[in-house]
Amino acid sequence: KAGVTQTPRYLIKTRGQQVTLSCSPISGHRSVSWYQQTPGQGLQFLFEYFSETQRNKGNFPGRFSGRQFSNSRSEMNVSTLELGDSALYLCASSARGLNTEAFFGQGTRLTVV
Amino acid sequence: AQTVTQSQPEMSVQEAETVTLSCTYDTSESDYYLFWYKQPPSRQMILVIRQEAYKQQNATENRFSVNFQKAAKSFSLKISDSQLGDAAMYFCAYMMDSGAGSYQLTFGKGTKLSVIP
Repeated sequence: KAGVTQTPRYLIKTRGQQVTLSCSPISGHRSVSWYQQTPGQGLQFLFEYFSETQRNKGNFPGRFSGRQFSNSRSEMNVSTLELGDSALYLCASSARGLNTEAFFGQGTRLTVV
Repeated sequence: AQTVTQSQPEMSVQEAETVTLSCTYDTSESDYYLFWYKQPPSRQMILVIRQEAYKQQNATENRFSVNFQKAAKSFSLKISDSQLGDAAMYFCAYMMDSGAGSYQLTFGKGTKLSVIP
């Protein structure tokens, strides 16, 4: 079956702009989580969506938001981009539960200039 | 807050030899899962092995095995018969129920493993 698909793979934006990233989970998976990966901070949890509802949010400013659609596809949005938002954004999908595996996409590399 | 510590930023191993990557974590929870993920240059995070906290038996997946010491909060990964394809970043991760049935992974900073031919 198809894996987790993230689009676009690469993105270059200017400070102050906003950006939307997309994640299509594995068919049948209803949980989508987002992570930010930077060389300095490592992998940090952004938020998790399940059944179109945000279930948990990490310690990120309100400029970071997301949503999930009825087909489980998820988008995350970052408004008023800052240089420090440059990172690899990873999406993970799972069937949900403590004993389930999270499958990751290849990520979106965002560069803010 | 839960934390995961990987004290070895970089390690190297000779091909066909064995290497052990270290990981410690901090939690007050009793029910949780631990994982080792591999991230090659392609950036795709791949699950290597997972361990349920309530199981005393160490998990094994082919050449990969863990040494899980719950009391010491230690979770090391042993790679036997190392292969060139094992070269990657390895992340130790912890998962628990954050409440209301929400789950999140907390990752360590990673260990970059090089395999020498």
